[in-house]
Amino acid sequence: DTAVSQTPKYLVTQMGNDKSIKCEQNLGHDTMYWYKQDSKKFLKIMFSYNNKELIINETVPNRFSPKSPDKAHLNLHINSLELGDSAVYFCASSRAGGYYGYTFGSGTRLTVV
Amino acid sequence: QQQVKQSPQSLIVQKGGISIINCAYENTAFDYFPWYQQFPGKGPALLIAIRPDVSEKKEGRFTISFNKSAKQFSLHIMDSQPGDSATYFCAASNPNAGGTSYGKLTFGQGTILTVHP
Repeated sequence: DTAVSQTPKYLVTQMGNDKSIKCEQNLGHDTMYWYKQDSKKFLKIMFSYNNKELIINETVPNRFSPKSPDKAHLNLHINSLELGDSAVYFCASSRAGGYYGYTFGSGTRLTVV
Repeated sequence: QQQVKQSPQSLIVQKGGISIINCAYENTAFDYFPWYQQFPGKGPALLIAIRPDVSEKKEGRFTISFNKSAKQFSLHIMDSQPGDSATYFCAASNPNAGGTSYGKLTFGQGTILTVHP
């Protein structure tokens, strides 16, 4: 049973397209996150949701819009994709403010051509 | 104030040697310091974590040393093995923070560890 699952694992798309990445966790955690890992492997937080409420919204272009239909799901929709959006996007979840650590998904490698 | 600085960027160690990765932080509100291990094609996985009320924590071959006054912490991997070859990230957070800092984990830049057989 995968704890945090993301789909798709790979996404190759043309500039200007709109795409979505889905994430689901079965750990009963109350907080979910999206992180972006760039080509230098740096991990930067984008968004977090706690019990379906948006908590963290870092400086991210408006083209990125997260949606949390329920506590177990957090999706990421990206409009008008740009070359610079190419990266690995990780979904993660935690409980108790992250004190017991995050559980990450295996990532979605987005390539914009 | 949110930065966590990690060094070195890459590290090559012989099998059986000791790997040491260092991190420094600025925000004194940070109260939780985990280390994550990431293999190629996988997400980061929690390896070991420490809170500032202790100066050292050991789990198997992995030890965190913490120096609160210097705002530094480090990961030591004893008897390094080829299977330890991965990217290691230090991180910091304040789990008790509310508002827009709730649950926020700030990562260091990562260290690529290669252990030669």
